[in-house]
Amino acid sequence: KNEVEQSPQNLTAQEGEFITINCSYSVGISALHWLQQHPGGGIVSLFMLSSGKKKHGRLIATINIQEKHSSLHITASHPRDSAVYICAVRSHNTDKLIFGTGTRLQVFP
Amino acid sequence: DSGVTQTPKHLITATGQRVTLRCSPRSGDLSVYWYQQSLDQGLQFLIQYYNGEERAKGNILERFSAQQFPDLHSELNLSSLELGDSALYFCASSVVAGPSGANVLTFGAGSRLTVL
Repeated sequence: KNEVEQSPQNLTAQEGEFITINCSYSVGISALHWLQQHPGGGIVSLFMLSSGKKKHGRLIATINIQEKHSSLHITASHPRDSAVYICAVRSHNTDKLIFGTGTRLQVFP
Repeated sequence: DSGVTQTPKHLITATGQRVTLRCSPRSGDLSVYWYQQSLDQGLQFLIQYYNGEERAKGNILERFSAQQFPDLHSELNLSSLELGDSALYFCASSVVAGPSGANVLTFGAGSRLTVL
């Protein structure tokens, strides 16, 4: 079993829909990152969380440390949001990043 | 432009060869991380340097090595290349590093290596 699990693996949506991507992990962490990888391959760091909730524009990330779970929400989705979203946790013991396998999102007009 | 510069962007080489990938971190960042993203494995952490010293090691093969220079740029050396080494290699940088640190990472655009 992977230490970081994401769901769903693939997601399609119509423009304007509310999107939720989930991440569960099984190790103790010092932080959780949400990354966005565009079709060209480039990776952008969206959020780094250690507790609570963060918001940036139409993106919201939440984390529940007790439940070892995080969600990434996209409100009013747009075709330009189409990308792979990757959850990564920083292990508290090793300080290494452990990556989920990613969620491929396609938003259609 | 993220501020993290990776060269080359694309590289095609043959099995058995050796290549060097280069990364210049964002100005002010002391930590450099290397990651490999292959089609079947997803993103994997390879190695981290902090201010010139190796800080953490991940799934890095013995055929691979890296270093961080006094000017903080880093190089990842891949030798005796195999077909399975074909992947995207990402460099990321952050300001600090430490067991309790939670560091904002800035990724470079990646170097795509194709081994034929």
